[in-house]
Amino acid sequence: QVELQESGPGLMKPSQTLSLTCTVSGGSISSGIYYWSWIRQHPGKGLEWIGYIYYTGSTYYSPSLESRVTISVDTSKNQFSLKVSSVTAADTAVYYCARVGATTHPYYYYAMDVWGQGTTVTVSS
Amino acid sequence: QSALTQPPSASGSPGQSITISCTGTSSDIGGYNYVSWYQQHSGRAPKLMIYEVTKRPSGVPDRFSGSKSGNTASLTVSGLQAEDEADYYCSSYAGSNNLLFGGGTKVTVL
Repeated sequence: QVELQESGPGLMKPSQTLSLTCTVSGGSISSGIYYWSWIRQHPGKGLEWIGYIYYTGSTYYSPSLESRVTISVDTSKNQFSLKVSSVTAADTAVYYCARVGATTHPYYYYAMDVWGQGTTVTVSS
Repeated sequence: QSALTQPPSASGSPGQSITISCTGTSSDIGGYNYVSWYQQHSGRAPKLMIYEVTKRPSGVPDRFSGSKSGNTASLTVSGLQAEDEADYYCSSYAGSNNLLFGGGTKVTVL
């Protein structure tokens, strides 16, 4: 059973660069049938897709965030990471990593079937 | 790209059925059969309930069903139960490897 676990600092100051890592266990990030995604949820608000990465390193970002976001993958560690530059209070959110199907049956095309528990990031001076 | 549009709330009594709509455009919902629905209980990670418009992952009760007409997708919960009280989010592929979420609908079981 695949599990995802986010890790990273809980508190940051404005203008810093946020760095989060998602560790994949119980399966290989290099399987080639999934994208690996980051999603965030502002306090009391809805879900926002940030972007995803394929094990080859190909990245795809939300147009609204792509100027400040970088997603990378380390297949040797079975991890993928998120960096958000120049954070402000508006980046305060719960950040989730999730697995996204990259092909259809029997996989879940463009759907997130496994999620991490989420990690809270607060940006405050 | 704008978020998909969902009603902020929906409610029903135990045993009743409710339907949640998710409206997009011809560039997302209307253009692809890659709509998914997620259930999120308070303080928990979202859970996949429906994928590719109508399909249910293993373990999801058949009380949950999905459909699509034009630019609007819908999630129907039949035989509403107390445990169905949660927030529900739709998502759609929007072309060029982009995904969109809806704003979420809070479901209350009366």
